[in-house]
Amino acid sequence: DIQMTQSPSSLSASVGDRVTITCRASQSVVHYLNWYQQKPGKAPDLLIHIASTLQSGVPSRFSGSGSGTEFTLTISDLQPEDFATYYCQQSYTTPYSFGQGTYLEIK
Amino acid sequence: LLVQSGGVVKKPGASVNVSCKASGYTFTDYGITWVRQAPGQGLEWMGWVSGYNGKTDYIEKLKGRVTMTTDSSTNTAYMELKSLIADDTATYFCARGGSAWPKVIEFWGQGTLITVSA
Repeated sequence: DIQMTQSPSSLSASVGDRVTITCRASQSVVHYLNWYQQKPGKAPDLLIHIASTLQSGVPSRFSGSGSGTEFTLTISDLQPEDFATYYCQQSYTTPYSFGQGTYLEIK
Repeated sequence: LLVQSGGVVKKPGASVNVSCKASGYTFTDYGITWVRQAPGQGLEWMGWVSGYNGKTDYIEKLKGRVTMTTDSSTNTAYMELKSLIADDTATYFCARGGSAWPKVIEFWGQGTLITVSA
């Protein structure tokens, strides 16, 4: 099974900041890497798929990059509604494992 | 739209069946993925069932305890988990991929909280 590791596990930032979350896979997932945002008590929302493709309706301040085993999610100009938990997930081979999550909190 | 059954409390050793009723699309065109999340923890991909032919793919750790099925006559997917243990306490989500990228989850049910407690 492919293990997904996110860093950091938690992050404090202020409105207007730029933050980057990293996701590393234990083996290559090519570009089959997705990012989700989850708020408390809600199902996750898809932000980015295939490493860098922004899901329809997602603000352009979200961006993704990477390939192979290392990927990043960048949020520029943080807004109050962006404070949430973020998960990466590989959809290259089953089981389609998730990272452990990165909790983004307001500083 | 995916609408799940309500939460329940089960005793250790019991079984639970969670339903996921789909609407707004052709049920047999997509599979249903099940993901669970223990309280305060991350997401765990449990498995997938085809809406077309019922083919399944389960995570190794749940094989033998989990069964995922579909009923195309009612557009409903089911997830049964047997021999429940405390670590199975979690919110269980059903989910569906998108039309362009079926393996990428775009649509989620509201979640069903299963509590395993004596």
